[in-house]
Amino acid sequence: DVKVTQSSRYLVKRTGEKVFLECVQDMDHENMFWYRQDPGLGLRLIYFSYDVKMKEKGDIPEGYSVSREKKERFSLILESASTNQTSMYLCASTAQVGDGYGYTFGSGTRLTVV
Amino acid sequence: AQSVTQLGSHVSVSEGALVLLRCNYSSSVPPYLFWYVQYPNQGLQLLLKYTSAATLVKGINGFEAEFKKSETSFHLTKPSAHMSDAAEYFCAVSDRYGGSQGNLIFGKGTKLSVKP
Repeated sequence: DVKVTQSSRYLVKRTGEKVFLECVQDMDHENMFWYRQDPGLGLRLIYFSYDVKMKEKGDIPEGYSVSREKKERFSLILESASTNQTSMYLCASTAQVGDGYGYTFGSGTRLTVV
Repeated sequence: AQSVTQLGSHVSVSEGALVLLRCNYSSSVPPYLFWYVQYPNQGLQLLLKYTSAATLVKGINGFEAEFKKSETSFHLTKPSAHMSDAAEYFCAVSDRYGGSQGNLIFGKGTKLSVKP
């Protein structure tokens, strides 16, 4: 069964900490995405990547960075965590963009910053 | 730019009743359209998608959706709700291009409650 795996389901971090959220996919997909999900706001795109070492800003990149050193792994980094980054974070991947392929999502990481 | 609107952030139905979740999109050309379901504390799972074959698309768990170009709609229906259908549902749209125009754009979601 093909999968997108997010390393942590629940995470509690302190304000100011550097936080790493890891996402690994086993489908050899070129394209990977990070979203945050908040009640009433739906899914908002933080960053995406179409290839190794490639990254593009989404709609809300402030306070975040990403790393894609290997095709299967896409990491989201909170440089200095703040309480307004408390949210559900979802990683997704797809074989092709704009070709009718859907995304495969991970189970999500619920991050609480205290 | 593409956009998608889901009417109703919360819909409540009785078990056995019809489920209707509304989705309208804006696009100058027929896009690709998707419905996803999210159960509590889980990721999103693809229910069904429209990619320009049949306009009536059948998905998993008895759900279906109809693409209506004249109404720019892609509403999700199920004839008879089951308690296990309680979840949040997301409509998504993408252009038929590569690059960032082909990224999925998600609606804000509709939470479905099913009463016994």
